[in-house]
Amino acid sequence: QVQLVQSESEVKKPGASVKVSCKASGYIFTDYAMNWVRQVPGQGLEWMGWINTNTGNPTYAQGFTGRFVFSLDTSVSTAYLQISGLKTEDTAVYYCARERAEAATGVYFDSWGQGSLVTVSS
Amino acid sequence: SYVLTQPPSVSVAPGETARITCGGNNIGSYSVHWYQQKAGQAPVVVMCYDRDRPSGIPERFSGSNAGNTATLTISRVEAADEADYYCQVWDSSSDHQVFGTGTKVTVL
Repeated sequence: QVQLVQSESEVKKPGASVKVSCKASGYIFTDYAMNWVRQVPGQGLEWMGWINTNTGNPTYAQGFTGRFVFSLDTSVSTAYLQISGLKTEDTAVYYCARERAEAATGVYFDSWGQGSLVTVSS
Repeated sequence: SYVLTQPPSVSVAPGETARITCGGNNIGSYSVHWYQQKAGQAPVVVMCYDRDRPSGIPERFSGSNAGNTATLTISRVEAADEADYYCQVWDSSSDHQVFGTGTKVTVL
């Protein structure tokens, strides 16, 4: 069965960096794009962008350019989210989500990781 | 950018019907997907392409989309349906995904 297993929660100081991993299993990793979604505690879902698992080409949503980097290691079927120059407002749960396209009118997210809480505090 | 608006909360008694709306400009021309997120858990897709139920989702869940409003309907509500629900579309003009503001469904 499809599984996305993310790295454990982390606590970081402002200005530090963090790298969240998302290991996929149960399917061919390069057959599906991977998306990243942020959820600030008590708030809604926010789409951060996606990465083409064939080419490694990332696309970032507005507000997630500069300090946010999506990357891959296809040899271990893993996607990564790296955030540099952490700020307290980056405190959130970060989810990876597999993209599924069944029509030309858009995609949805059929499998999600369990989420990785990143806490930024001095 | 495209905006999707949901009511913050919906309350419903067990056995009754819950209707969760998702408003957007001409949303009827978009494909709408819905996610259920229970407390402390990752979201799960409960409806895709307006009205298609993924495998394992009860028939009590149905969807519709026309004009400026998409609706997720939960019939014969159960306590297990208590969760936050989010709609999502692909905004072709920006090539970005957009989530709705989210609705908390409370089962009385």
